Amino acid sequence: GQNIDQPTEMTATEGAIVQINCTYQTSGFNGLFWYQQHAGEAPTFLSYNVLDGLEEKGRFSSFLSRSKGYSYLLLKELQMKDSASYLCAVLDSNYQLIWGAGTKLIIKP
Amino acid sequence: IAGITQAPTSQILAAGRRMTLRCTQDMRHNAMYWYRQDLGLGLRLIHYSNTAGTTGKGEVPDGYSVSRANTDDFPLTLASAVPSQTSVYFCASSDSSGNTGELFFGEGSRLTVL
Repeated sequence: GQNIDQPTEMTATEGAIVQINCTYQTSGFNGLFWYQQHAGEAPTFLSYNVLDGLEEKGRFSSFLSRSKGYSYLLLKELQMKDSASYLCAVLDSNYQLIWGAGTKLIIKP
Repeated sequence: IAGITQAPTSQILAAGRRMTLRCTQDMRHNAMYWYRQDLGLGLRLIHYSNTAGTTGKGEVPDGYSVSRANTDDFPLTLASAVPSQTSVYFCASSDSSGNTGELFFGEGSRLTVL
């Protein structure tokens, strides 16, 4: 079966750095997405990786290793507004998105 | 403001009743999707449409139906609601079929079936 694994919950301190990991086993791979979802709101797009390596976008970076079936989202200079769930999703060989259950990130002052 | 509009935002429904969740987008996106989101589970695809006039089944289609009469509208119907359909429903769209593009989500419809 297809599977996306990410930690259920993480806690970090305002101003610090946090890395949210995502591992996947899917039938084929056509890209990996990260979305942010604040409580009670819709998911919003953060990043898309299809090639190995690090993609940087402001305070957020996303890394992909296709050979290891692994990605991480790196958040720097954490702010209280970064408290949210972070969803990892993989596009499989049929171009269907397989979603992880999400990682709830709690930021403490 | 361009985007996706869902209605209703919240609804309590008696089991056995018929319910249609509405979704309208004004971005002229070809592809549209309906997901349900349940605590502890990832988003699960119910139905999708790659272009107006076509629809397809997702991971959890049973008990749901959709139509795509035009580019903008993609309603989701529960013919006879059951308690297991209590969930938050998100409509989404993208400007390329085959899911290679970023998804834009509506604000969600919270449905409770009693």
